[in-house]
Amino acid sequence: ETGVTQSPTHLIKTRGQQVTLRCSSQSGHNTVSWYQQALGQGPQFIFQYYREEENGRGNFPPRFSGLQFPNYSSELNVNALELDDSALYLCASSLGLRDRGQNTEAFFGQGTRLTVV
Amino acid sequence: RKEVEQDPGPFNVPEGATVAFNCTYSNSASQSFFWYRQDCRKEPKLLMSVYSSGNEDGRFTAQLNRASQYISLLIRDSKLSDSATYLCVVDQGGKLIFGQGTELSVKP
Repeated sequence: ETGVTQSPTHLIKTRGQQVTLRCSSQSGHNTVSWYQQALGQGPQFIFQYYREEENGRGNFPPRFSGLQFPNYSSELNVNALELDDSALYLCASSLGLRDRGQNTEAFFGQGTRLTVV
Repeated sequence: RKEVEQDPGPFNVPEGATVAFNCTYSNSASQSFFWYRQDCRKEPKLLMSVYSSGNEDGRFTAQLNRASQYISLLIRDSKLSDSATYLCVVDQGGKLIFGQGTELSVKP
């Protein structure tokens, strides 16, 4: 077990609705990254949070937003859901670049499978 | 052009076979390189890091050629349990860039 937990594990939403996905990071880690994985594709980087600040963003529209809390857990919010948002959403916990030294590994949660109908 | 490109799959091989996966990346500033394994409907898990000097972990050998921007993974003596999707991953400043994955199916 990685110690990274995501909730919920599965979710069905209707087009146009909003969704919040949650991730608790591994103890000692201060960075959470979120990824979207469509069926048959590799994970795509959405954004990263380091010590509660956004620290890089991929090619996703503003309706994808996030938060990181003082305990380094994180939320991913998606507004105005579209059918193409159906995917596995993964969060990865790690140490920030300035903190990691040789400890570069990122640990993934089991993911939230979102279906938009 | 995708930032990380892998061999399209799937690879169907018999037990005991040797199989090689190839990957290229486009950003020469990439800093770290990995192979991840992903089982069906599960999260990706780190298989091994990849270094220019090459590294081996049991039946698995990974190689990096920075000049060619090329990464490889060799699996010797394939086992049924090696069946999974193998993801080539490049770290760009803490952001992981994944290839699309190559599915491996090892048959008895």
